[in-house]
Amino acid sequence: GAGVSQSPRYKVAKRGQDVALRCDPISGHVSLFWYQQALGQGPEFLTYFQNEAQLDKSGLPSDRFFAERPEGSVSTLKIQRTQQEDSAVYLCASSPSGGGLVGEQFFGPGTRLTVL
Amino acid sequence: GNSVTQMEGPVTLSEEAFLTINCTYTATGYPSLFWYVQYPGEGLQLLLKATKADDKGSNKGFEATYRKETTSFHLEKGSVQVSDSAVYFCALTLNTNAGKSTFGDGTTLTVKP
Repeated sequence: GAGVSQSPRYKVAKRGQDVALRCDPISGHVSLFWYQQALGQGPEFLTYFQNEAQLDKSGLPSDRFFAERPEGSVSTLKIQRTQQEDSAVYLCASSPSGGGLVGEQFFGPGTRLTVL
Repeated sequence: GNSVTQMEGPVTLSEEAFLTINCTYTATGYPSLFWYVQYPGEGLQLLLKATKADDKGSNKGFEATYRKETTSFHLEKGSVQVSDSAVYFCALTLNTNAGKSTFGDGTTLTVKP
């Protein structure tokens, strides 16, 4: 079956450009997570959705970062006015669990963003 | 806050050697513990997990025991193969955090024939 997919896989942006990263979770998965992974480090939490509700956005590094999941399925992470420090791999994960239950997270391949 | 500290890498072993990758954690509550693996060119995938103290997670010959007294979740395998070469991440999730995970920085394992 289809896993979590992300697009684009690679994105090069000039400093100051806006970018949009897409995540298609596994069908029927309630929870969706975005993580940022800098080179040589582990993923860092950005934000979490349960269906269409964004329940936690405590990890978003600035107000230039915005995420949405309007219909409780596909999610988009938008970064406005990109800066060099935004260069990282952005990972999306989905989980069938929600409402406080801890379940396995299924990760997508990530989008590698490079800001020049 | 919550944090995960992993043994620094890279780790290089010969085939059939014994593997240990250390992981310790700090958590404000009672976490579930995970090991994820990332093979070259692929995404993160769950290797094993344990949800309460003294539980042992196991998969593909790997195992890790949830030790609350030492706040540890060390990964072990008795005999590694070349195909085990990958990056291994230890992670914790608080049961109250709806699945938000805190990851270690990863340990790169290279197994030579």
